[in-house]
Amino acid sequence: GENVEQHPSTLSVQEGDSAVIKCTYSDSASNYFPWYKQELGKRPQLIIDIRSNVGEKKDQRIAVTLNKTAKHFSLHITETQPEDSAVYFCAASGGGSGGSYIPTFGRGTSLIVHP
Amino acid sequence: DAGVIQSPRHEVTEMGQEVTLRCKPISGHNSLFWYRQTMMRGLELLIYFNNNVPIDDSGMPEDRFSAKMPNASFSTLKIQPSEPRDSAVYFCASSLELARGGELFFGEGSRLTVL
Repeated sequence: GENVEQHPSTLSVQEGDSAVIKCTYSDSASNYFPWYKQELGKRPQLIIDIRSNVGEKKDQRIAVTLNKTAKHFSLHITETQPEDSAVYFCAASGGGSGGSYIPTFGRGTSLIVHP
Repeated sequence: DAGVIQSPRHEVTEMGQEVTLRCKPISGHNSLFWYRQTMMRGLELLIYFNNNVPIDDSGMPEDRFSAKMPNASFSTLKIQPSEPRDSAVYFCASSLELARGGELFFGEGSRLTVL
């Protein structure tokens, strides 16, 4: 089955700096890569996603990049703000012999933005 | 729509007791997931239903865990007997058009503490 590795597990930055979270996946057939944000004590919520026919996608201060050849994708947050502090999860789906659309999640990255 | 509704939000019980967690997915969604979240293991998929039918229960830890979805608007996750290592936050999530890479909508979670 699919295996998603996420790094780093913890990321501490100063307000205004950029933050980058990286994920790798194992199944070359995976074609959908969402990112979820979970604030402390809250539910995970989708913040951005990318499909395998696109190399990059941006939404204001966040962007995702995908390298299908290397099987890795990244989340970039620019001009970080304290409210960006949360746990971020990457996921991959669409692969497997039967085309499993069940997302496989990474272990999460705890982002701390210091004012 | 009120989103995915889970109950109870918090449950404290003693080892050996039966625990039942409940979930009401978003109306119209045809996929339902139960996840368990711990610091050590992150987000683990326990079971996945599609159109009320269990499709993948390979993540269910052992026979003490069982899940049902008697209709499209209700699901339960039962632990009997409960053990301290079952302490975690249990999330229910639903999705529409999962096969097209649909977003997962999570409930607020049920925090279980087994003493």
